[in-house]
Formats: sequence, C-alpha cells, structure tokens
Amino acid sequence: NAGVMQNPRHLVRRRGQEARLRCSPMKGHSHVYWYRQLPEEGLKFMVYLQKENIIDESGMPKERFSAEFPKEGPSILRIQQVVRGDSAAYFCASSLWDSNQPQHFGDGTRLSIL
Amino acid sequence: TQLLEQSPQFLSIQEGENLTVYCNSSSVFSSLQWYRQEPGEGPVLLVTVVTGGEVKKLKRLTFQFGDARKDSSLHITAAQTGDTGLYLCAGANPGTYKYIFGTGTRLKVLA
Repeated sequence: NAGVMQNPRHLVRRRGQEARLRCSPMKGHSHVYWYRQLPEEGLKFMVYLQKENIIDESGMPKERFSAEFPKEGPSILRIQQVVRGDSAAYFCASSLWDSNQPQHFGDGTRLSIL
Repeated sequence: TQLLEQSPQFLSIQEGENLTVYCNSSSVFSSLQWYRQEPGEGPVLLVTVVTGGEVKKLKRLTFQFGDARKDSSLHITAAQTGDTGLYLCAGANPGTYKYIFGTGTRLKVLA
C-alpha cells in the first residue's frame, strides 16, 4: 500500500510476551509515524520519528512501549509484556523530507493477544 | 483537545445515487487529508486540501475545504460498489505533523 511495508501483517502473542512490529518507509521518505487503530475507531497518533531521533512520542504509553528508527534498517515499534488491551491494528506512515508532506500508510500489523 | 467529527457514521445507498459526507471541527487545520480504508488494509490517501475554500475533484469525488479551514466535505456522484469503504478525514495542525483523525464514515454501496 503506497510502498510502505509493514511486517508481520498478523502477530499473535500471549500475555507477558514481547511484540516487535517493523516498518520500512517509502523510498526517499525520512519521516515515520506510528498510529494505533481499535475496531470501529479512527487512528490515534503514537510516535513520530526521523532517522535516529524520536521527535514526538506524546501519544505512546510511557511504560512497555518504545520505538526506534535506526540509521540502517526499518523502524521498530516494541511492546513489552503485552496485555489484552494492546490488541489493535498498528499502522505506520511515512512522509517525504518535510513533515508537512502528506503521510502514506502501510497495511498495518494486526496484533492479537491471547 | 482537537476533535474531528465525521457524519454520518454509516451510510448505505444504492448504486448510482449521490452522497455527501462531512468532516467538522471547531479547530483550524493547516491541511486536511481524506483517506479511504478497506478491511484489512491501511488508509489510502485520496486528496490533500490546504487553502480555505479549495475544491478538488478526483473523477466522481469532489472535496471541499471550508473557508475557515475547520471543516471539509466529500461528495460522490453516481456511487459505484467499488466506492464501498471507510472514509477518514485527518487534519494537520499548523506547523506540526500529528494527524488528528476523524472516526470515519462507513459507506456501503449496494448493487
């Protein structure tokens, strides 16, 4: 979907395990955003990153959640010690050199917690 | 807290009919995006509007940004079954990057 690649598409974890969600932005895009979507709801902003920098993580829970966008490789959203309430679709978006450029979304990772 | 309210929440119409969905806020946005999302997929960008009063057309879809940049509408002419999906508006604040998403309008076009 628009070149943003997310994997895995589906992830099942048991309570207490760790979940790692990956996002490769569109070619040439250096801004990455993570959003969360619950069923029947809109997307909620979690975190905004540029290469090796977290610009804004105000939408991300303070505990158990972390994100990174290393110099090489995909952006990673990491959820430690998952709980049932973490079950959701997690979407990554990327934009061009300027954060005012429109954001293009991947197809998401559907996380299910047993 | 900025909110974007979309209406109607659900809309079921016959193929060939026209429809309008709305995206309203009490806040000003520097730009507003419309996306369509299908089940199991990510939102696909349809259009970005940035100027108050701006009108953009994409085939049978017409998008308008309100003069005060607080609201927007999407009009579909002669709807087709392929238009079925969740339509989301997302506002960007001046000078920031966070999108505020509306809760969406779920459109179903019946053959």
